[in-house]
Amino acid sequence: NAGVTQTPKFQVLKTGQSMTLQCAQDMNHEYMSWYRQDPGMGLRLIHYSVGAGITDQGEVPNGYNVSRSTTEDFPLRLLSAAPSQTSVYFCASRGKSQEGEKLFFGSGTQLSVL
Amino acid sequence: KQEVTQIPAALSVPEGENLVLNCSFTDSAIYNLQWFRQDPGKGLTSLLLIQSSQREQTSGRLNASLDKSSGRSTLYIAASQPGDSATYLCAPSNQAGTALIFGKGTTLSVSS
Repeated sequence: NAGVTQTPKFQVLKTGQSMTLQCAQDMNHEYMSWYRQDPGMGLRLIHYSVGAGITDQGEVPNGYNVSRSTTEDFPLRLLSAAPSQTSVYFCASRGKSQEGEKLFFGSGTQLSVL
Repeated sequence: KQEVTQIPAALSVPEGENLVLNCSFTDSAIYNLQWFRQDPGKGLTSLLLIQSSQREQTSGRLNASLDKSSGRSTLYIAASQPGDSATYLCAPSNQAGTALIFGKGTTLSVSS
């Protein structure tokens, strides 16, 4: 039982490049989400999904796309990377019963955009 | 818009002390509240989850309380140990349960 797995752990991009951050969970969790963590700003929600085929925007969705074709996977796409997207990105998931279910986090992807 | 404040921002204590971390939030319409621990360079680990209908939760040396009406939660750590050194984050969820709003955390250092 690996929990929430994020790849890659580190990535350096040039401005304008695109890439996909991968997130997979093996706990059959319906809810998955992406957060970014910046110094002095705390963690902020980018996008979330309450099940396969269903996604919605969080607090800071601009510049990011998501899709949820399976229960297990929730990739985050950067369409045209900008230096403002330099951050640590965390994927998190939980079960269906949102009131009683803790949120499980991956170990993060540290992204630098030059 | 929900705003979450954690006080103090940093705390240094000797081993064995009991301590309290404070969290306040502006919107009392929450679904639940979680306390997380984050070690440097690592992900977050949920320590305690308090449902909106509950007043407190306990796990080992940790006790968290919730007062929704006043917009406050506290995390009590008994008999602190060097291994407790980490950043502790408070996160109430929105009423729909679809998003957590995080405070900026309290960084705790416990010296032996």
